[in-house]
Amino acid sequence: DIVMTQSPLSLPVIPGEPASISCRSSQSLLHSDGDNYLTWYLQKPGQSPQLLIYLGSNRASGVPDRFSGSGSGTDFTLKISRVEAEDVGLYYCMQALQTPCTFGQGTRLEIK
Amino acid sequence: EVQLVESGGVVVLPGGSLRLSCVTSGFTFDDHSMHWVRQPPGKGLEWVSMISWDGITTSYEDSVRGRFTISRDNTRNSLHLQMNSLRRDDTALYFCAKDRGALAPGYYIDSWGQGTQVTVSS
Repeated sequence: DIVMTQSPLSLPVIPGEPASISCRSSQSLLHSDGDNYLTWYLQKPGQSPQLLIYLGSNRASGVPDRFSGSGSGTDFTLKISRVEAEDVGLYYCMQALQTPCTFGQGTRLEIK
Repeated sequence: EVQLVESGGVVVLPGGSLRLSCVTSGFTFDDHSMHWVRQPPGKGLEWVSMISWDGITTSYEDSVRGRFTISRDNTRNSLHLQMNSLRRDDTALYFCAKDRGALAPGYYIDSWGQGTQVTVSS
């Protein structure tokens, strides 16, 4: 199984400051079609997860452009250029290259 | 608008059985593979199972393989999870989720339901 490792697990951020979350996979997530099968989700308090970034670097519809995804192979990063209060919650990376699909442990972003 | 509505979660005794359902709308159901993902209380997301658009290909997380069975009814736009031999560590909020693709494995989950709570307790 592919193991997904996120860091940090807790991320206190001052509003307006940038934030960055790392996600590393135990195997390459690069598919033969050229895409990285790595997805980022945000689970706001009391809500279901919502799609942020798909295939490594594509922002989902309606996601603010302060969110960006980058990386390839085994190393990926989610960046928030300027954190806002509404960004608090748990951030997860997930790989869907092969089953069983697997999630990272989650990173809790909180406002300082 | 994509809608995924789960049902069937209850309190059940260890060793018992349960069938979860997910009724969908707002998209062409048989164009997409589907997943079940769970979240134990206070913990992170755990992928449970997925099924291809035609129901032919299924996949399971190791701890549920042999106990859980995923299925779908494309005539009723619904997804199901039959859960047998339930254990206390199956206690979780169970989410139905839609894949962007049709196959298994797919591309990525692009929509989630609100979840149904399963509690295994004596």
